[in-house]
Amino acid sequence: AQTVTQSQPEMSVQEAETVTLSCTYDTSESDYYLFWYKQPPSRQMILVIRQEAYKQQNATENRFSVNFQKAAKSFSLKISDSQLGDAAMYFCAYTTLFGNEKLTFGTGTRLTIIP
Amino acid sequence: GAGVSQSPSNKVTEKGKDVELRCDPISGHTALYWYRQSLGQGLEFLIYFQGNSAPDKSGLPSDRFSAERTGGSVSTLTIQRTQQEDSAVYLCASSFQGTAYGYTFGSGTRLTVV
Repeated sequence: AQTVTQSQPEMSVQEAETVTLSCTYDTSESDYYLFWYKQPPSRQMILVIRQEAYKQQNATENRFSVNFQKAAKSFSLKISDSQLGDAAMYFCAYTTLFGNEKLTFGTGTRLTIIP
Repeated sequence: GAGVSQSPSNKVTEKGKDVELRCDPISGHTALYWYRQSLGQGLEFLIYFQGNSAPDKSGLPSDRFSAERTGGSVSTLTIQRTQQEDSAVYLCASSFQGTAYGYTFGSGTRLTVV
């Protein structure tokens, strides 16, 4: 069974600094997708970034980038120039390529931004 | 609508009562998903609807849980004879292209069973 592990329940970072959130996963599949979702206090989960496993290039969305290490089954999120609005729970998630429409989530990392 | 709408936002119910949670997806999104988020946990898949196909109910935790989707749009998640362990945030999401391309989530219903 696929599992997603986030080993950092809480992280904090000074405003304008860079922070990296860790995620590892376990799968026997070769093709899959990985995601980072953000959940602010409003509860609405927001897609931050998406990575296709068959692509070597790391995904980037403005201040958000990932370090995808397929062999190590690692998928970390780097947030540059942290802003107060980045404070939220961050969830790493996984889905296979075919025949499975479920997302498997990690337990989340609570990110605090220190002004 | 512009986003996924869920109602009610919060619901407090007595143990043993039935509850209905509603999800109104983005217009045109054929896929609809329900997830449950218990305190301090990640999200747990409950059920998935795609168009007129039979739903994937493999995540429903017991036969007290059921869901339907009428006319390919609005969905209702029903929990019968609620238990305290049912207390959680129930999140609905919809998608046009499927899970691999990401979902749009609603803001959830926080259910508290007392």
